[in-house]
Amino acid sequence: QQQVKQSPQSLIVQKGGISIINCAYENTAFDYFPWYQQFPGKGPALLIAIRPDVSEKKEGRFTISFNKSAKQFSLHIMDSQPGDSATYFCAASSNNDMRFGAGTRLTVKP
Amino acid sequence: EPEVTQTPSHQVTQMGQEVILRCVPISNHLYFYWYRQILGQKVEFLVSFYNNEISEKSEIFDDRFSVERPDGSNFTLKIRSTKLEDSAMYFCASSHGRSLYNEQFFGPGTRLTVL
Repeated sequence: QQQVKQSPQSLIVQKGGISIINCAYENTAFDYFPWYQQFPGKGPALLIAIRPDVSEKKEGRFTISFNKSAKQFSLHIMDSQPGDSATYFCAASSNNDMRFGAGTRLTVKP
Repeated sequence: EPEVTQTPSHQVTQMGQEVILRCVPISNHLYFYWYRQILGQKVEFLVSFYNNEISEKSEIFDDRFSVERPDGSNFTLKIRSTKLEDSAMYFCASSHGRSLYNEQFFGPGTRLTVL
């Protein structure tokens, strides 16, 4: 079964701190690994994505680290801000079949 | 900025009835998707659609579900014989292509409540 496991379920970070969310996958056919951000009452919005041929991708305060051999990837949010408070989903995709992790509810305290 | 739109925002139906959820994808996109999210849970893939046919579907997408692109702009999800467990937020998404550039843009969702 194609699964993506995400942890932690919830995360509380102080403003300015680093938020780290981890994901692991099983299916080696996955070739695209996006992270989505979802605010209450809204649909998920793409935050950042990576392919398995690179080990890290950085966009502003957001960084994906990817470990192909361990089948793990993580999202790091540097200098976390209260506006980053949302639910974050990792996902893995192949052939347009995208599987999401269970989500992490991030709260950044001022 | 172009966006995916969905109607209605909230649909209430009786168990056993049929519902149609409507989506207007971004106009130059070629791939279309439906997902569902049961309250407080993860987003689950239902189906992807390209070139007027289903390209992938999940185990959730049983024979009560169907999708259609009836014209050049709309993309619909039909659920027949609705069950209580179909109650969820349903998201439509679209993308221009697949693989590396497969950014899927999600609509705001339709909340389906089956009574």
